[in-house]
Amino acid sequence: GQNIDQPTEMTATEGAIVQINCTYQTSGFNGLFWYQQHAGEAPTFLSYNVLDGLEEKGRFSSFLSRSKGYSYLLLKELQMKDSASYLCAVVDSNYQLIWGAGTKLIIKP
Amino acid sequence: NAGVTQTPKFRILKIGQSMTLQCTQDMNHNYMYWYRQDPGMGLKLIYYSVGAGITDKGEVPNGYNVSRSTTEDFPLRLELAAPSQTSVYFCASSYALQGPIGELFFGEGSRLTVL
Repeated sequence: GQNIDQPTEMTATEGAIVQINCTYQTSGFNGLFWYQQHAGEAPTFLSYNVLDGLEEKGRFSSFLSRSKGYSYLLLKELQMKDSASYLCAVVDSNYQLIWGAGTKLIIKP
Repeated sequence: NAGVTQTPKFRILKIGQSMTLQCTQDMNHNYMYWYRQDPGMGLKLIYYSVGAGITDKGEVPNGYNVSRSTTEDFPLRLELAAPSQTSVYFCASSYALQGPIGELFFGEGSRLTVL
């Protein structure tokens, strides 16, 4: 079966750096998305990786290793507004999106 | 600058009732999707459409129906509502040449409770 694993919850301090991991086992791979979802709101797009390596976008970076079935989202200079759930989603060989359950990130002052 | 609009935002249904969740997008996207999200779970695909007149089942289609008569509209019909359909429903759209490679744009969600 297809599976995406993310930690259920993480806690970090305002101003610090946090890394949210995502490992996947899917039938084929055509890219990996990260979305942010604030409580009670819709998911919003953060990043898309299809090639190995690091993609940087402001305070957020996303890394992919296809050989290891692994990605991480790196958030720097954490702000209180970064408190949200972060969803990892993989595009499989049939171009279907497989979603992880999400990681709830709690930021403490 | 509407994006994806879905209605209603909240609804309480009695067991056995039926209803339609409306979804409209103004971005001329070819792909549209309906997801449900239960607490602590990932998004589950109910139905999707790759263009007007074409719809396909997702992971959890039972108890639901959809239609796509225009590019803009993708309503989700719940027939004979059951408590298991209590969830938050999200409509989304994307533009992609092949598969959901494009960024998904989500509506604000519809919180449905079946009692």
